[in-house]
Amino acid sequence: EAAVTQSPRNKVAVTGGKVTLSCNQTNNHNNMYWYRQDTGHGLRLIHYSYGAGSTEKGDIPDGYKASRPSQENFSLILELATPSQTSVYFCASGDGSWGDQNTLYFGAGTRLSVL
Amino acid sequence: GNSVTQMQGQVTLSEEEFLFINCTYSTTGYPTLFWYVQYPGEGPQLLLKVTTANNKGSSRGFEATYDKGTTSFHLQKASVQESDSAVYYCVLGNSGTYQRFGTGTKLQVVP
Repeated sequence: EAAVTQSPRNKVAVTGGKVTLSCNQTNNHNNMYWYRQDTGHGLRLIHYSYGAGSTEKGDIPDGYKASRPSQENFSLILELATPSQTSVYFCASGDGSWGDQNTLYFGAGTRLSVL
Repeated sequence: GNSVTQMQGQVTLSEEEFLFINCTYSTTGYPTLFWYVQYPGEGPQLLLKVTTANNKGSSRGFEATYDKGTTSFHLQKASVQESDSAVYYCVLGNSGTYQRFGTGTKLQVVP
């Protein structure tokens, strides 16, 4: 069954530490996305990718890097984690080229706490 | 730029009551408007989408309509059930850019 799988599901990190969130999709979609979800802000786009080797900045990229080594995998990297990055992170894959065509398929989320 | 505004942060209804959630948007051209639903502990999933070609969409008893004149779109359901309790997101999609999510409306349906 096609799916988007995120790991880990829960993570506690220390301030200043490096955190890597991983995402794997079996949908064979070109586009992948990383969002964070916070009360009062909804879902905000951090980075996205059109395919292997590509990464693009979304609306809130500061403090985050992304890596897309293959069609299936897309990682979000926090080089120096801060408490303000405590949030729930969602990965998604999309089946269209642009926002008017895309249906997004989300993973179950990663809850990150930075202490 | 492209943006979407969802003013209702939380809605509480009794079972069998009528649901109405409204969003407004700002963009150019001919957008597609989506509604996603997120159940507790899960990621969002597509509920339905509306294009300028049809102005309406329906799924699982929900209906969405789109009014280009007032740049608004809304989600409604005639009779909600407790199982409809979830967060509902309106989403703006347009050609040449990625989708924008509203801030979400948490629906709580009480028996």
